[in-house]
Amino acid sequence: AQSVAQPEDQVNVAEGNPLTVKCTYSVSGNPYLFWYVQYPNRGLQFLLKYITGDNLVKGSYGFEAEFNKSQTSFHLKKPSALVSDSALYFCAVRPYRDDKIIFGKGTRLHILP
Amino acid sequence: EAQVTQNPRYLITVTGKKLTVTCSQNMNHEYMSWYRQDPGLGLRQIYYSMNVEVTDKGDVPEGYKVSRKEKRNFPLILESPSPNQTSLYFCASSPRLAGSTDTQYFGPGTRLTVL
Repeated sequence: AQSVAQPEDQVNVAEGNPLTVKCTYSVSGNPYLFWYVQYPNRGLQFLLKYITGDNLVKGSYGFEAEFNKSQTSFHLKKPSALVSDSALYFCAVRPYRDDKIIFGKGTRLHILP
Repeated sequence: EAQVTQNPRYLITVTGKKLTVTCSQNMNHEYMSWYRQDPGLGLRQIYYSMNVEVTDKGDVPEGYKVSRKEKRNFPLILESPSPNQTSLYFCASSPRLAGSTDTQYFGPGTRLTVL
């Protein structure tokens, strides 16, 4: 079955430190990969996506993600965390030539002042 | 302003009382979708629509209906709501889907409680 896994329910990082939110996937073919962020009482907002090309993708708010085909991972990263980065982060995958979109369960990121 | 709107934002109802949650987008998007968000389960796709009069089931369609009579609107219908449909619902749209890489734009969410 096709799936997306976010192995950490919560990640705590001190402000100014680098952060990583992990995502792995299991789909057939070459996937399209996305990261979305959800702030309290808001809908999801797009952060970045990987379609093809450079494995390091840069997105909004200073976030980036690295696609690793051999490890089937698409981890979200930021060099220096801000308190305002505290939110719920979702990884999503669209299998190639599939109409459905599969979301992970989400990882809550807490940036500690 | 380009946006996806949902109404109502909050709804408390009772078991068995039919309800409709509306979703509308003003971006002329072809693809629209409904998700429910539950703690520990993330977002799960309920139904999606590739275009007018074209709808298909997502991962959790049981107990829901949708229609797509106009491009901009994609209402979610609960004919006989049950307490296990208590959830946070999101509508989303994107310009096109089949083979594309377009990102989705999400509405603000509808928090539904079924007593």
